[in-house]
Amino acid sequence: NAGVMQNPRHLVRRRGQEARLRCSPMKGHSHVYWYRQLPEEGLKFMVYLQKENIIDESGMPKERFSAEFPKEGPSILRIQQVVRGDSAAYFCASSPGGQGQETQYFGPGTRLLVL
Amino acid sequence: GENVEQHPSTLSVQEGDSAVIKCTYSDSASNYFPWYKQELGKRPQLIIDIRSNVGEKKDQRIAVTLNKTAKHFSLHITETQPEDSAVYFCAARWALGQLTFGSGTQLTVLP
Repeated sequence: NAGVMQNPRHLVRRRGQEARLRCSPMKGHSHVYWYRQLPEEGLKFMVYLQKENIIDESGMPKERFSAEFPKEGPSILRIQQVVRGDSAAYFCASSPGGQGQETQYFGPGTRLLVL
Repeated sequence: GENVEQHPSTLSVQEGDSAVIKCTYSDSASNYFPWYKQELGKRPQLIIDIRSNVGEKKDQRIAVTLNKTAKHFSLHITETQPEDSAVYFCAARWALGQLTFGSGTQLTVLP
């Protein structure tokens, strides 16, 4: 059973470009969470999705950031017109969902560097 | 929303000694409390978790205690080894299911 997969592992963008980060949850998991981690800081919640639905996006900036989890394919976190402050590690996690199924397993992360 | 505070931010112990990391949370509705270990440049890895209907849980050298009344929970590592050196994060699950993380504890086990 493959774990949570993310790609790319490293992404370099110039200011103003777009960044697309992909996350494939563990097999059988229908809940996906995105977190951002700045250097030497903790993880901050961004958005929580289930298949085709955004459950909670309260941690995601209103401007330039969007997320989706389509019926088929990986979840995508999209950052438009990147700025240097977007440089961070972006982790996704997945869980099966449901009562007693809260455990979140993390992917290896995408390290975004904005030049 | 939920707020999680974690102490200490750094902790050094001699190999073989015990390490204790403490966290407090603000939302009494939080019902699930995992602990993650993160090595440099790696993903957070779950090491132990506890649900609100349980006061203590143990897995070999690692244990977690939860005091719902005081809204705090602690990680205990006994017989520490150099490979325990990492950053440890506590978290609380609230509202719809997202985790709120503490700020992390850098644990260093000195040989």
